[in-house]
Amino acid sequence: DIQMTQSPSTLPASLGERVTINCRASRGISNNLNWYQQKPDGTIKRLIYYTSNLQSGVPSRFSGSGSGTDYSLTISSLEPEDLAMYYCQQYASSPYTFGAGTKLELK
Amino acid sequence: QVQLKESGPGLVQPSQTLSLTCTVSGFSLTSNSVHWVRQPPGKGLEWVGAIWSGGSTDYNSALKSRLSISRDTSKSQVFLKMNSLQTEDTAIYFCTRCPGIRNHWFAYWGQGTLVTVSS
Repeated sequence: DIQMTQSPSTLPASLGERVTINCRASRGISNNLNWYQQKPDGTIKRLIYYTSNLQSGVPSRFSGSGSGTDYSLTISSLEPEDLAMYYCQQYASSPYTFGAGTKLELK
Repeated sequence: QVQLKESGPGLVQPSQTLSLTCTVSGFSLTSNSVHWVRQPPGKGLEWVGAIWSGGSTDYNSALKSRLSISRDTSKSQVFLKMNSLQTEDTAIYFCTRCPGIRNHWFAYWGQGTLVTVSS
């Protein structure tokens, strides 16, 4: 199984700040990586697919990058509605494993 | 539009069998796969298993011995059955759509249904 190591687990940040969340796969996943946002009500929303492609309707302040085993999600300027949990997921091979999550909170 | 909705019993006793239904609309199960993902309270997401568009299945190896996923294409429903439930199976269970194009996988999710394993 491919293990996904996500960091940090908690990210305190200020509004307007640029933030980055990282995900490392235990072996190469050929850019087959999604990023999700989960709000406190439990709703899951896909933000980024195939490493760097923005899901329709997602604000352009979100971006993704990476290759091989290392990937990242960046929010260019933090807005109040971005305070949530974030997860990465590889879909290169089954089981389609997730990172442990990052809680983005106000500093 | 694409919609998925999970339904189930809410409360299940330990050692009993869980039965969940994912009712979908806006797409066909014969050209899309449906995956199940679960989330224990306060914890992260775990991929549970899938039923592919052709009807074959794929399961998380940790759950495989207790898990069965099936479907009724005429009713646009996917079923999850898990036996020998333990308290560790308490979680929100989500279903999600994965169409034929890989980069469209996991774009649509249901709202989830909470399953509590308790006597």
